Amino acid sequence: DAKTTQPPSMDCAEGRAANLPCNHSTISGNEYVYWYRQIHSQGPQYIIHGLKNNETNEMASLIITEDRKSSTLILPHATLRDTAVYYCIVRGVYNFNKFYFGSGTKLNVKP
Amino acid sequence: SAVISQKPSRDICQRGTSLTIQCQVDSQVTMMFWYRQQPGQSLTLIATANQGSEATYESGFVIDKFPISRPNLTFSTLTVSNMSPEDSSIYLCSGFPGGKETQYFGPGTRLLVL
Repeated sequence: DAKTTQPPSMDCAEGRAANLPCNHSTISGNEYVYWYRQIHSQGPQYIIHGLKNNETNEMASLIITEDRKSSTLILPHATLRDTAVYYCIVRGVYNFNKFYFGSGTKLNVKP
Repeated sequence: SAVISQKPSRDICQRGTSLTIQCQVDSQVTMMFWYRQQPGQSLTLIATANQGSEATYESGFVIDKFPISRPNLTFSTLTVSNMSPEDSSIYLCSGFPGGKETQYFGPGTRLLVL
């Protein structure tokens, strides 16, 4: 299963877009990229997922590069409540229901 | 969205004792998963639990230490046996309710072992 690499922390001003990068250079052709966040040690919350195409929902946008080796989660207008640890996960092919969490990115949204 | 609940939400236990954590899903799930999150760390998968079969454990986790039950499609338990302070963690369960592509997580059980 592909591993992911994320920066350990990022800062973002409230109201600005937060762009969280993730590297998954060993991803296979039919593995999905998922994003979750964890606010203050609560259970992880699903944000968005995608395979090849860019995706958008009410929470965020997911941009996946054409070679699928990296992706970016975009929170268009970050608020203080978006302060959390964001996890980028590649859903495995052979153990496709297992999620292996990396170290994540701590996003600090500042007023 | 699906609801997953856990009991207890937190507990303080003495070393050498055992604690059983319950996980309830409001819809049927084929597989349920148990994770551990040590202080300041990311989530680590402990095991996968299917109904009617033994749980499958990840490397570094064994059934004697973390026995799991899965009596039906909406419920599972994880027992942390013979606890030591190193077992102090948040334990989380999860699943894919209704065959969806999205995995949902419970709120976690915060365990402190003294």
